[in-house]
Amino acid sequence: DSGVTQTPKHLITATGQRVTLRCSPRSGDLSVYWYQQSLDQGLQFLIQYYNGEERAKGNILERFSAQQFPDLHSELNLSSLELGDSALYFCASSVVLGLNTEAFFGQGTRLTVV
Amino acid sequence: TQLLEQSPQFLSIQEGENLTVYCNSSSVFSSLQWYRQEPGEGPVLLVTVVTGGEVKKLKRLTFQFGDARKDSSLHITAAQPGDTGLYLCAGYSGNTPLVFGKGTRLSVIA
Repeated sequence: DSGVTQTPKHLITATGQRVTLRCSPRSGDLSVYWYQQSLDQGLQFLIQYYNGEERAKGNILERFSAQQFPDLHSELNLSSLELGDSALYFCASSVVLGLNTEAFFGQGTRLTVV
Repeated sequence: TQLLEQSPQFLSIQEGENLTVYCNSSSVFSSLQWYRQEPGEGPVLLVTVVTGGEVKKLKRLTFQFGDARKDSSLHITAAQPGDTGLYLCAGYSGNTPLVFGKGTRLSVIA
């Protein structure tokens, strides 16, 4: 158990809909990352939050947004869903240790858009 | 954009064989991690290497960080079916989030 909790584990929804994925980081970790994993693209970084503020942005679509709340849990909102958004979405939390950071991943949310 | 190239993409071997997978980049990283991911699960951290030339051993797994801190290798001795999974390398440079390679999918056949 990594200590990172993601809900829901599975989500099936129709095109055009909006969904919210939730992540609770490990106790004490201030950073939360969201990654998208599809078969042909590997783990793609979407966005990072640190202590409630956006820290870095990756290949995140404008239809997607995220936030981190005062209790450090994070939500990833996906709207106007398309078939191509079907993927595994992972949340990770990390602690920076000098020149190193180690990420701990949740079990992911498998999103299927039909 | 920092990229990590992993090779081979797929590897299928018999139990007891040795194997090496590679992670290469044109960028320098302050640290590099190896993760293993099983179907339906998130990646799990195996090891972190920080110093150029560093070698770390984890039972039958040996990890090496290149002298220039641009590449890394993972060697598995006497592979077992339990080693089956997706092996991911990830680089950290201090000013960007972890960058992941696409992974090597290993299948060890009994």
